[in-house]
Amino acid sequence: NAGVMQNPRHLVRRRGQEARLRCSPMKGHSHVYWYRQLPEEGLKFMVYLQKENIIDESGMPKERFSAEFPKEGPSILRIQQVVRGDSAAYFCASSPSDSKNSPLHFGNGTRLTVT
Amino acid sequence: AQSVTQLDSHVSVSEGTPVLLRCNYSSSYSPSLFWYVQHPNKGLQLLLKYTSAATLVKGINGFEAEFKKSETSFHLTKPSAHMSDAAEYFCVVSDRTGTYKYIFGTGTRLKVLA
Repeated sequence: NAGVMQNPRHLVRRRGQEARLRCSPMKGHSHVYWYRQLPEEGLKFMVYLQKENIIDESGMPKERFSAEFPKEGPSILRIQQVVRGDSAAYFCASSPSDSKNSPLHFGNGTRLTVT
Repeated sequence: AQSVTQLDSHVSVSEGTPVLLRCNYSSSYSPSLFWYVQHPNKGLQLLLKYTSAATLVKGINGFEAEFKKSETSFHLTKPSAHMSDAAEYFCVVSDRTGTYKYIFGTGTRLKVLA
């Protein structure tokens, strides 16, 4: 049973370019979360999506960042016009329901470096 | 509002000695609590979870945690540390107060000395 798959594992972008991060949740999971982790820091919530719907995007910057989880295909976190401060590890997690008892299952992350 | 505090950013233990990683939480509701471990350049792996059943929870790799409501704590312990336990550990709270965020502590980096 495949876990949460994220790609690419490493992504290098120049300032001003776009970054697209992909996440395929575990089979049977329809709830996806994106988190950002800066060096020596914990994980910061960005956005929570269910299939075709953004449920909570309160942790995501209002400009340049967007997320989607289409009916078919992976969830995408998109960062437009990247800046050096966007350099971080981005983790996707999925769960089978919105119950508070459901643990999150994490992917191995995408490490974005902006040069 | 929910929050979680990991009291130590770094913990060092000798191999074979007990491990204690401390976590305190704040929640207006009955929370669910989780401990995750993160090895370098890896994602987070679930160690154990508390979901209002037994207060002493056993997890993988010999770890366990005890939910103490009176102390609002959920400390992680292991009787005997192994070199492979060296990693970052995160305490997480979720109580579903109308939002859908799992709140993460800032992490405790465990170092195991030979």
